[in-house]
Amino acid sequence: GAVVSQHPSRVICKSGTSVKIECRSLDFQATTMFWYRQFPKQSLMLMATSNEGSKATYEQGVEKDKFLINHASLTLSTLTVTSAHPEDSSFYICKGGGGGTEAFFGQGTRLTVV
Amino acid sequence: GDSVTQMEGPVTLSEEAFLTINCTYTATGYPSLFWYVQYPGEGLQLLLKATKADDKGSNKGFEATYRKETTSFHLEKGSVQVSDSAVYFCALSGGYNTDKLIFGTGTRLQVFP
Repeated sequence: GAVVSQHPSRVICKSGTSVKIECRSLDFQATTMFWYRQFPKQSLMLMATSNEGSKATYEQGVEKDKFLINHASLTLSTLTVTSAHPEDSSFYICKGGGGGTEAFFGQGTRLTVV
Repeated sequence: GDSVTQMEGPVTLSEEAFLTINCTYTATGYPSLFWYVQYPGEGLQLLLKATKADDKGSNKGFEATYRKETTSFHLEKGSVQVSDSAVYFCALSGGYNTDKLIFGTGTRLQVFP
């Protein structure tokens, strides 16, 4: 079946630095990629939707300058957390879109900012 | 807007007990409904789904029936195992963007031997 590969799975970074998370669709063309965030003991909240070749759409309350999303090709979408702070520590997970793709989640990235 | 409400956890059961995790939804139109499972330290796995009223999704002994009249999609399993311990999320997709998922808050299930 289709696979979305997400890495890194875990990352620890210093406050003020930037972290890039990649999601690759391995055997299908992801025209859309959804980025979710999960705080401890809470549900997944949609942060933004990236579309290949155009600007991402951000959900209300999500800072677009802090969470930079790039969807450079049909197989790669990236999320960069800029100037990370401890409150950005969370579990980030992507989902490939394109119709009937409810199963196509990445493995998730646990970000810890110290 | 669309939303999903799940029962709060944790749900604590002994092995072989019957499981029910309640899920109700609010949505315009005719959403598809899903249950996802998240094992400790892992990402999300699709457990089962139903795309229209009265459909029953099933997988690994888990079942859920799409009830339009009660706007519910309760998850059930007749006999749980320790390996079923995980967080379970109910979700829906629908409206204009059928790929966008809206999740409930998740219910943690703990099964003891």
